[in-house]
Amino acid sequence: DSGVTQTPKHLITATGQRVTLRCSPRSGDLSVYWYQQSLDQGLQFLIHYYNGEERAKGNILERFSAQQFPDLHSELNLSSLELGDSALYFCASSVGVAPNYGYTFGSGTRLTVV
Amino acid sequence: SQQGEEDPQALSIQEGENATMNCSYKTSINNLQWYRQNSGRGLVHLILIRSNEREKHSGRLRVTLDTSKKSSSLLITASRAADTASYFCATDTGTASKLTFGTGTRLQVTL
Repeated sequence: DSGVTQTPKHLITATGQRVTLRCSPRSGDLSVYWYQQSLDQGLQFLIHYYNGEERAKGNILERFSAQQFPDLHSELNLSSLELGDSALYFCASSVGVAPNYGYTFGSGTRLTVV
Repeated sequence: SQQGEEDPQALSIQEGENATMNCSYKTSINNLQWYRQNSGRGLVHLILIRSNEREKHSGRLRVTLDTSKKSSSLLITASRAADTASYFCATDTGTASKLTFGTGTRLQVTL
């Protein structure tokens, strides 16, 4: 157990639907990062929050949004889902605003859009 | 976009042999990190090397960094079947507030 909790582990949903992925960072970590991993695109950075504030945005689609709450857990919302959104979604946490001590990853949410 | 590219894409060796993976990157970095991912699971941080370091060891792992060539290598000595996984390098440029991951090397260690 890495200390980073992601729920749910698996999600199967239909095209056009909306889902919410949840992440609780390791105790003491203030940063949460979201990544998407697919076979053709590899690990793609989506977004970074530090202590409730958005700090960096990657190739995140407009249909996707995220937030970090006062208790530091984060949610990634994916809407108007398409088949191509099927992927593993990881969150990772780190103690500071910069990743200069490494990330701790959760076990991921496997999203399948049918 | 990928900052790092690992080479080779796949590597198959026998238990007891050494495994070497290489990573090349494009821009200046603050540090470079290596991660392991077992099939379909979360990534695990292995080792971090800062831009002013040239070599670092951790157990059976040895990482080198050549900033002039923008490259790094990960050596796993005396490989075990349990080392079978994908290995990723990740770069921290110090300005982008995130890590950028490479394409990964799939290592298969057979008995």
